[in-house]
Amino acid sequence: GAVVSQHPSRVICKSGTSVKIECRSLDFQATTMFWYRQFPKQSLMLMATSNEGSKATYEQGVEKDKFLINHASLTLSTLTVTSAHPEDSSFYICSARDLEGVNEQFFGPGTRLTVL
Amino acid sequence: GQSLEQPSEVTAVEGAIVQINCTYQTSGFYGLSWYQQHDGGAPTFLSYNGLDGLEETGRFSSFLSRSDSYGYLLLQELQMKDSASYFCAVREADKIIFGKGTRLHILP
Repeated sequence: GAVVSQHPSRVICKSGTSVKIECRSLDFQATTMFWYRQFPKQSLMLMATSNEGSKATYEQGVEKDKFLINHASLTLSTLTVTSAHPEDSSFYICSARDLEGVNEQFFGPGTRLTVL
Repeated sequence: GQSLEQPSEVTAVEGAIVQINCTYQTSGFYGLSWYQQHDGGAPTFLSYNGLDGLEETGRFSSFLSRSDSYGYLLLQELQMKDSASYFCAVREADKIIFGKGTRLHILP
């Protein structure tokens, strides 16, 4: 089956620093990758959609300058949380979809970000 | 706007059958998916309905009525490992929007 990895799985950082999270599709080419944010016991909130080689499309209310997304290749997308603050602490999950899998997304294991 | 409604919590007994309903309101609709998420884990895909009717995959079945903007997930022969959150999700063109999730508690 399709496998998506995320790195790191957990990160703790000081307020004001930037954190980069990587999302990789391991055994398929992901034409589209999605980034979600999830607070405890809440739903997944779509932050942005990224297509390989083009700019990400951000959902309403998501600051594009704060959450930088790069999808440089068909197997890698990165999310950089710039100048992180405690309110950015959350569970960040990426998912990927290939050309044929329009009805199904494969999720990474998530990254737990804690900003002190 | 988009909205998906599902119960926040459901409790059932091991070995029983449980149905989790989902109603939706979206600007564009291509299909309804269901995902399972255990605490601390990532969502895993369970099923997809693009057309009206019932889809069966083992102990899990999913139903869709497009005219009613309604679907459900049916879990049979419940096992303790089925304790998790279940999300319905609507596919709108290029993206998937998730409901708030239903926490399923299973009693022995």
